[in-house]
Amino acid sequence: AQSVAQPEDQVNVAEGNPLTVKCTYSVSGNPYLFWYVQYPNRGLQFLLKYITGDNLVKGSYGFEAEFNKSQTSFHLKKPSALVSDSALYFCAVRDDGGGFKTIFGAGTRLFVKA
Amino acid sequence: GAGVSQSPSNKVTEKGKDVELRCDPISGHTALYWYRQSLGQGLEFLIYFQGNSAPDKSGLPSDRFSAERTGGSVSTLTIQRTQQEDSAVYLCASSLDGRWENIQYFGAGTRLSVL
Repeated sequence: AQSVAQPEDQVNVAEGNPLTVKCTYSVSGNPYLFWYVQYPNRGLQFLLKYITGDNLVKGSYGFEAEFNKSQTSFHLKKPSALVSDSALYFCAVRDDGGGFKTIFGAGTRLFVKA
Repeated sequence: GAGVSQSPSNKVTEKGKDVELRCDPISGHTALYWYRQSLGQGLEFLIYFQGNSAPDKSGLPSDRFSAERTGGSVSTLTIQRTQQEDSAVYLCASSLDGRWENIQYFGAGTRLSVL
């Protein structure tokens, strides 16, 4: 069965410092991995995705994520955090061996302090 | 339309009443999803529609929940005999089609409060 784990409820980082939001997954087929962000009082927005190819994926707003097949991880990263990055981040997976549903993690709240 | 539209934005109802939540996907998108986001929780998959195919209803939590998609466009999520535990934000998303790599575009959600 598909599953996604985001082990941290909250990540705190100082502005200008690098940030990492962790995500691990479990699938039966090939994974299609996504990161979405939810700003306060707004809907979810797509950040980036991994389908195939390079393990380092670059997305919106300077974010990137690294796909690691052996560790079944897809951690979200940014070299220099901004206060405006403070939001709720969701990792999601689709599995070509597990039907058409998308499984989302519980979310990680990122708080960037000025 | 420009984006996924959901109505109403807020719904307050009494326990035991039925409610209908509406989702209008992006024009031309054949795939439509419903999710539930409870306070402090992630998104829980409810149901998936793709074109004229039979929907994937595997996420519906009970037989009080049902959804329809008429004409391949607008979708309605119905909750019968609402319970307090149904209180949550119900999110709708659409994508161009059902391919696994497609991005989902989300509406702003309907916040349901069951008193």
